[in-house]
Amino acid sequence: DAGVTQSPTHLIKTRGQQVTLRCSPKSGHDTVSWYQQALGQGPQFIFQYYEEEERQRGNFPDRFSGHQFPNYSSELNVNALLLGDSALYLCATGPGHGEKLFFGSGTQLSVL
Amino acid sequence: GENVEQHPSTLSVQEGDSAVIKCTYSDSASNYFPWYKQELGKGPQLIIDIRSNVGEKKDQRIAVTLNKTAKHFSLHITETQPEDSAVYFCAARPDSWGKLQFGAGTQVVVTP
Repeated sequence: DAGVTQSPTHLIKTRGQQVTLRCSPKSGHDTVSWYQQALGQGPQFIFQYYEEEERQRGNFPDRFSGHQFPNYSSELNVNALLLGDSALYLCATGPGHGEKLFFGSGTQLSVL
Repeated sequence: GENVEQHPSTLSVQEGDSAVIKCTYSDSASNYFPWYKQELGKGPQLIIDIRSNVGEKKDQRIAVTLNKTAKHFSLHITETQPEDSAVYFCAARPDSWGKLQFGAGTQVVVTP
């Protein structure tokens, strides 16, 4: 049983570009959350998707958007990249309102 | 919103000794408190969790305690081993969905 898988593992972009990150949930999980983890800090909640709708959103600008597909996989899109967007982006999945969240290994995004 | 404070930021212990990490939270509505272990280059891994209707939970060498009145919870690792070296994060869930508010993390170093 595969766990939470994210792609790509690393990505380098320049300021102003757009990026798309992908997440496939653990088998049996239908809720997907995205977190941003800056170096030396704890993960910060970006948003959460359930039944293909955004259910909750953290304090992130509209440049951050997402999507959930019928197979429960998800994408995170970031437009007009800033240097400050450089971070590890983590996907966490769980069953419905379930408490236990399982994280992927993340996508390391570097904005130059 | 919920705010989680974690200390110490770094903890160095001798192999075989115990390690204790403490967290406080601000939102009395928080009802779920997980602990994650993050190794270099990996995503956070859930190691133990506790719900607000329980005061203590133990799993082998790891235990978590919760004091709802004081709004603080702690992670206890006994008989530490070198493989316990990692960054540990506490978190609190302020509502019924899976959104987690994380602490800033504790770097634990276990020296042989």
